[in-house]
Amino acid sequence: QKEVEQDPGPLSVPEGAIVSLNCTYSNSAFQYFMWYRQYSRKGPELLMYTYSSGNKEDGRFTAQVDKSSKYISLFIRDSQPSDSATYLCAGSNAGGTSYGKLTFGQGTILTVHP
Amino acid sequence: GAVVSQHPSWVICKSGTSVKIECRSLDFQATTMFWYRQFPKQSLMLMATSNEGSKATYEQGVEKDKFLINHASLTLSTLTVTSAHPEDSSFYICSARDSRRGPKAQYFGPGTRLLVL
Repeated sequence: QKEVEQDPGPLSVPEGAIVSLNCTYSNSAFQYFMWYRQYSRKGPELLMYTYSSGNKEDGRFTAQVDKSSKYISLFIRDSQPSDSATYLCAGSNAGGTSYGKLTFGQGTILTVHP
Repeated sequence: GAVVSQHPSWVICKSGTSVKIECRSLDFQATTMFWYRQFPKQSLMLMATSNEGSKATYEQGVEKDKFLINHASLTLSTLTVTSAHPEDSSFYICSARDSRRGPKAQYFGPGTRLLVL
């Protein structure tokens, strides 16, 4: 079993739709959860960062973490064609020798069509 | 914002040659750098963790003698793929962590695409 599971999609939605992206994880030591966006042939860029359980909102993006069910989500409101990319979820331990190490999901390919 | 550069952005080499990839943090000091490999349509897989001034820590299954990592300064880490073979063809991405700013302060480079013929 992979430590972080993510449906690779692809996911295609019309412009303006609400997008829901999800991951599950198995490592109970994860305390930090991130969502990265990766455009084709580019490095990932950090979109959202959450510590432990809860919600976090930033503009059109909302990240949710439910540690009891080991489930993390990213919602994109009013999606735009420029949101078309691969979205990667990641988990990280809080400290020790694993501090800063990210474990990524497979990534979901999202296409927002006009 | 924090910037991480990688050089070269792409490289084609013959089987059996060695290739060096540089990763630089341009506007912050990175005590820790991470090297990832990404195959087409797959996720990033951590290869090794590099701490400035010490030996790199390799993930299980990654050959340390094949993937040489040097982190000689707080702004530069290098990955050398020795005796490269076609199966080493991949997208190599580094990330640099600004330890003064907490765990979310990890910034990725643009990646280096390696093709071994």
